[in-house]
Amino acid sequence: AQSVTQPDIHITVSEGASLELRCNYSYGATPYLFWYVQSPGQGLQLLLKYFSGDTLVQGIKGFEAEFKRSQSSFNLRKPSVHWSDAAEYFCAVGGAGGTSYGKLTFGQGTILTVHP
Amino acid sequence: NAGVTQTPKFRVLKTGQSMTLLCAQDMNHEYMYWYRQDPGMGLRLIHYSVGEGTTAKGEVPDGYNVSRLKKQNFLLGLESAAPSQTSVYFCASRPRGLNQPQHFGDGTRLSIL
Repeated sequence: AQSVTQPDIHITVSEGASLELRCNYSYGATPYLFWYVQSPGQGLQLLLKYFSGDTLVQGIKGFEAEFKRSQSSFNLRKPSVHWSDAAEYFCAVGGAGGTSYGKLTFGQGTILTVHP
Repeated sequence: NAGVTQTPKFRVLKTGQSMTLLCAQDMNHEYMYWYRQDPGMGLRLIHYSVGEGTTAKGEVPDGYNVSRLKKQNFLLGLESAAPSQTSVYFCASRPRGLNQPQHFGDGTRLSIL
Protein backbone atom coordinates (compact mmCIF):
# COMPACT_ATOMS: atom_id res chain seq x y z
CA ALA A 1 0.00 0.00 0.00
CA GLN A 2 1.18 3.49 -0.71
CA SER A 3 1.91 5.93 2.08
CA VAL A 4 3.44 9.32 2.73
CA THR A 5 5.14 10.45 5.92
CA GLN A 6 5.86 14.03 6.82
CA PRO A 7 7.93 13.68 10.00
CA ASP A 8 7.58 17.29 11.12
CA ILE A 9 4.12 18.30 12.32
CA HIS A 10 5.11 21.90 13.00
CA ILE A 11 8.14 23.94 11.95
CA THR A 12 8.99 27.48 12.98
CA VAL A 13 11.51 29.60 11.10
CA SER A 14 12.50 33.24 11.04
CA GLU A 15 11.73 35.36 8.02
CA GLY A 16 14.66 35.22 5.63
CA ALA A 17 15.90 31.86 6.88
CA SER A 18 16.09 28.80 4.68
CA LEU A 19 13.48 26.07 4.85
CA GLU A 20 13.37 22.35 4.27
CA LEU A 21 10.22 20.27 4.74
CA ARG A 22 10.68 16.54 4.72
CA CYS A 23 8.60 13.98 2.87
CA ASN A 24 9.13 10.23 2.67
CA TYR A 25 6.95 8.01 0.54
CA SER A 26 6.26 4.36 -0.05
CA TYR A 27 4.97 3.32 -3.45
CA GLY A 28 5.29 0.05 -5.32
CA ALA A 29 5.54 1.47 -8.82
CA THR A 30 6.71 4.64 -10.52
CA PRO A 31 5.48 7.48 -8.30
CA TYR A 32 4.16 10.85 -9.17
CA LEU A 33 4.96 13.29 -6.36
CA PHE A 34 3.38 16.58 -5.44
CA TRP A 35 3.64 19.36 -2.91
CA TYR A 36 0.53 21.39 -2.12
CA VAL A 37 0.13 24.40 0.15
CA GLN A 38 -2.98 25.32 2.12
CA SER A 39 -3.56 28.74 3.61
CA PRO A 40 -6.09 28.97 6.48
CA GLY A 41 -9.65 28.53 5.26
CA GLN A 42 -8.54 27.83 1.72
CA GLY A 43 -8.22 24.88 -0.58
CA LEU A 44 -4.98 23.28 -1.68
CA GLN A 45 -2.76 25.01 -4.19
CA LEU A 46 -0.20 23.08 -6.21
CA LEU A 47 3.39 24.18 -5.51
CA LEU A 48 5.22 21.71 -7.72
CA LYS A 49 5.14 18.20 -9.12
CA TYR A 50 7.57 15.50 -10.16
CA PHE A 51 6.84 12.92 -12.83
CA SER A 52 10.16 12.03 -14.39
CA GLY A 53 13.41 13.50 -15.64
CA ASP A 54 15.43 16.03 -13.69
CA THR A 55 15.20 15.16 -10.02
CA LEU A 56 15.29 18.80 -8.94
CA VAL A 57 12.01 20.48 -9.76
CA GLN A 58 11.13 24.13 -9.52
CA GLY A 59 7.74 25.36 -8.40
CA ILE A 60 5.87 28.53 -7.74
CA LYS A 61 6.71 31.09 -5.04
CA GLY A 62 10.42 30.22 -5.14
CA PHE A 63 10.02 26.64 -3.89
CA GLU A 64 11.93 23.65 -5.18
CA ALA A 65 11.98 19.96 -4.35
CA GLU A 66 14.43 17.16 -4.92
CA PHE A 67 13.41 13.59 -5.71
CA LYS A 68 15.76 10.97 -4.26
CA ARG A 69 14.68 7.51 -5.27
CA SER A 70 17.29 5.75 -3.13
CA GLN A 71 15.94 7.48 -0.03
CA SER A 72 12.27 7.49 -1.07
CA SER A 73 12.20 11.18 -0.31
CA PHE A 74 10.85 14.31 -1.92
CA ASN A 75 11.87 17.20 0.32
CA LEU A 76 10.66 20.74 -0.26
CA ARG A 77 13.08 23.67 0.06
CA LYS A 78 13.13 27.41 -0.11
CA PRO A 79 16.30 29.49 0.33
CA SER A 80 14.64 32.48 2.02
CA VAL A 81 11.25 32.29 3.68
CA HIS A 82 8.75 35.16 3.55
CA TRP A 83 6.06 35.82 6.15
CA SER A 84 3.45 35.02 3.52
CA ASP A 85 4.76 31.44 3.33
CA ALA A 86 3.14 30.63 6.67
CA ALA A 87 0.66 27.87 5.85
CA GLU A 88 0.24 24.11 5.96
CA TYR A 89 2.15 22.04 3.44
CA PHE A 90 1.16 18.64 2.13
CA CYS A 91 3.21 16.09 0.26
CA ALA A 92 1.30 13.58 -1.88
CA VAL A 93 2.08 10.52 -3.99
CA GLY A 94 0.11 9.06 -6.85
CA GLY A 95 0.53 6.45 -9.51
CA ALA A 96 1.75 6.86 -13.05
CA GLY A 97 -0.32 3.99 -14.36
CA GLY A 98 -3.70 4.39 -16.01
CA THR A 99 -5.58 2.32 -13.43
CA SER A 100 -4.42 4.59 -10.61
CA TYR A 101 -6.93 7.14 -11.97
CA GLY A 102 -4.89 9.97 -10.54
CA LYS A 103 -5.69 9.06 -6.96
CA LEU A 104 -3.40 10.65 -4.39
CA THR A 105 -2.25 9.64 -0.93
CA PHE A 106 -1.43 12.61 1.26
CA GLY A 107 0.94 13.03 4.16
CA GLN A 108 -0.26 14.37 7.47
CA GLY A 109 0.86 17.90 6.69
CA THR A 110 3.47 20.26 8.12
CA ILE A 111 2.40 23.56 9.60
CA LEU A 112 4.91 26.33 8.93
CA THR A 113 5.09 29.33 11.23
CA VAL A 114 7.24 32.29 10.22
CA HIS A 115 8.58 34.69 12.85
CA PRO A 116 9.33 38.29 11.80
CA ASN B 1 -12.99 30.85 -14.77
CA ALA B 2 -14.35 29.52 -11.47
CA GLY B 3 -12.44 26.20 -11.40
CA VAL B 4 -13.83 23.93 -8.67
CA THR B 5 -16.74 25.31 -6.65
CA GLN B 6 -18.10 23.70 -3.50
CA THR B 7 -21.43 24.48 -1.87
CA PRO B 8 -22.21 25.10 0.89
CA LYS B 9 -19.07 26.50 2.55
CA PHE B 10 -20.32 25.85 6.09
CA ARG B 11 -23.04 23.69 7.57
CA VAL B 12 -24.12 22.49 10.98
CA LEU B 13 -26.20 19.35 11.23
CA LYS B 14 -27.76 17.34 13.99
CA THR B 15 -26.97 13.65 14.35
CA GLY B 16 -29.15 11.61 12.06
CA GLN B 17 -29.89 14.39 9.58
CA SER B 18 -29.02 14.02 5.93
CA MET B 19 -27.44 16.40 3.51
CA THR B 20 -25.72 16.66 0.14
CA LEU B 21 -22.53 18.52 -0.66
CA LEU B 22 -22.19 19.78 -4.21
CA CYS B 23 -19.01 20.03 -6.22
CA ALA B 24 -19.04 21.72 -9.62
CA GLN B 25 -16.13 22.13 -12.02
CA ASP B 26 -16.06 24.10 -15.24
CA MET B 27 -12.80 22.72 -16.65
CA ASN B 28 -14.34 19.73 -18.43
CA HIS B 29 -12.29 17.36 -16.25
CA GLU B 30 -12.98 13.64 -16.43
CA TYR B 31 -11.88 12.70 -12.91
CA MET B 32 -13.36 14.03 -9.68
CA TYR B 33 -12.63 13.23 -6.04
CA TRP B 34 -14.03 13.79 -2.57
CA TYR B 35 -11.67 14.01 0.41
CA ARG B 36 -12.08 14.69 4.09
CA GLN B 37 -9.47 16.56 6.07
CA ASP B 38 -9.04 15.98 9.78
CA PRO B 39 -6.33 17.47 12.02
CA GLY B 40 -3.08 15.52 11.87
CA MET B 41 -4.39 13.10 9.26
CA GLY B 42 -3.96 14.97 6.02
CA LEU B 43 -6.56 14.38 3.32
CA ARG B 44 -8.20 11.00 2.94
CA LEU B 45 -10.03 9.91 -0.18
CA ILE B 46 -13.73 9.14 0.34
CA HIS B 47 -14.98 8.39 -3.19
CA TYR B 48 -13.93 9.23 -6.69
CA SER B 49 -15.29 9.22 -10.23
CA VAL B 50 -13.52 8.63 -13.51
CA GLY B 51 -16.39 9.81 -15.68
CA GLU B 52 -20.05 10.65 -15.90
CA GLY B 53 -22.17 7.89 -14.40
CA THR B 54 -19.26 6.13 -12.67
CA THR B 55 -18.15 6.18 -9.05
CA ALA B 56 -15.76 4.16 -6.91
CA LYS B 57 -14.81 3.82 -3.26
CA GLY B 58 -11.74 5.42 -1.82
CA GLU B 59 -9.99 4.90 1.49
CA VAL B 60 -12.81 5.95 3.85
CA PRO B 61 -16.16 5.45 2.06
CA ASP B 62 -18.36 4.24 4.93
CA GLY B 63 -21.30 6.50 5.72
CA TYR B 64 -21.10 8.37 2.42
CA ASN B 65 -22.67 8.01 -1.00
CA VAL B 66 -21.86 9.83 -4.22
CA SER B 67 -23.33 10.45 -7.61
CA ARG B 68 -21.99 11.81 -10.90
CA LEU B 69 -25.04 12.29 -13.11
CA LYS B 70 -23.42 15.15 -15.02
CA LYS B 71 -19.77 15.41 -15.95
CA GLN B 72 -19.35 18.75 -14.24
CA ASN B 73 -20.98 17.82 -10.93
CA PHE B 74 -19.99 15.38 -8.19
CA LEU B 75 -22.33 15.08 -5.22
CA LEU B 76 -21.43 13.72 -1.79
CA GLY B 77 -24.27 12.56 0.41
CA LEU B 78 -24.53 11.81 4.09
CA GLU B 79 -27.68 9.77 4.68
CA SER B 80 -27.57 9.79 8.49
CA ALA B 81 -24.92 12.17 9.80
CA ALA B 82 -22.76 11.13 12.75
CA PRO B 83 -20.44 13.26 14.91
CA SER B 84 -17.48 11.31 13.48
CA GLN B 85 -18.25 12.91 10.14
CA THR B 86 -17.45 16.37 11.45
CA SER B 87 -14.68 17.43 9.12
CA VAL B 88 -13.64 19.69 6.29
CA TYR B 89 -14.57 18.21 2.94
CA PHE B 90 -12.64 18.96 -0.23
CA CYS B 91 -13.53 18.24 -3.80
CA ALA B 92 -10.92 18.02 -6.54
CA SER B 93 -10.86 17.37 -10.26
CA ARG B 94 -8.28 16.63 -12.92
CA PRO B 95 -8.17 15.79 -16.60
CA ARG B 96 -7.72 12.23 -17.81
CA GLY B 97 -4.20 11.27 -18.77
CA LEU B 98 -0.71 11.30 -17.34
CA ASN B 99 1.15 14.17 -15.72
CA GLN B 100 -1.97 15.95 -14.49
CA PRO B 101 -2.33 17.45 -11.00
CA GLN B 102 -5.59 17.71 -9.10
CA HIS B 103 -7.35 21.07 -8.74
CA PHE B 104 -9.08 21.70 -5.42
CA GLY B 105 -12.11 23.61 -4.26
CA ASP B 106 -12.07 25.78 -1.13
CA GLY B 107 -13.75 23.18 1.05
CA THR B 108 -16.94 22.70 3.05
CA ARG B 109 -16.69 22.85 6.83
CA LEU B 110 -19.27 20.46 8.27
CA SER B 111 -20.11 20.11 11.96
CA ILE B 112 -22.34 17.34 13.27
CA LEU B 113 -23.79 17.93 16.72
